Amino acid sequence: EDQVTQSPEALRLQEGESSSLNCSYTVSGLRGLFWYRQDPGKGPEFLFTLYSAGEEKEKERLKATLTKKESFLHITAPKPEDSATYLCAVRRGGSEKLVFGKGTKLTVNP
Amino acid sequence: NAGVTQTPKFRILKIGQSMTLQCTQDMNHNYMYWYRQDPGMGLKLIYYSVGAGITDKGEVPNGYNVSRSTTEDFPLRLELAAPSQTSVYFCASSSGTNNYLRFFGPGTRLTVL
Repeated sequence: EDQVTQSPEALRLQEGESSSLNCSYTVSGLRGLFWYRQDPGKGPEFLFTLYSAGEEKEKERLKATLTKKESFLHITAPKPEDSATYLCAVRRGGSEKLVFGKGTKLTVNP
Repeated sequence: NAGVTQTPKFRILKIGQSMTLQCTQDMNHNYMYWYRQDPGMGLKLIYYSVGAGITDKGEVPNGYNVSRSTTEDFPLRLELAAPSQTSVYFCASSSGTNNYLRFFGPGTRLTVL
């Protein structure tokens, strides 16, 4: 069964304090690993899709990396506006379903 | 483009009542999805559609029905609402593999009492 585990469940950082969020996964035939940002009361906002081990993608202060077992979302010098819940999901080949983790709630204090 | 829109934003139902959650997208996407998000849990796929007239079950379809008569609209029907259907419902769309599931709606928060 496909599984996604995100850690930590919650992370509190000071502004400018870099850190990483982890997404461990098990899936047969990975067809994509997805990262989303979700603000309270809003729908998920797409950030990245990674397709193969070794792939990296960046967007502003965020950088996502992928290995065969896990993905990291690195946040460099975060700002309070980066506070949100970050969701990780995987897609198996031949499936229209994304399997989501429970998310990591990030709080960045000024 | 408005993207993916959902109505209503909030709704309270009594046990046994029925309702339709509306979802519309204006991006001419063939693929549309319904997910539910329960507190502290990951989103789960209810139903999806790969084009007008074509729908299929996801992971948690029981208690729900869908139809897709147009490319733009993908309504989700709840028959005989139960407390277990209390959740936040998200509709999403994509045009295919290259932009798979990049667009989510703002959600409908449903409470069944």
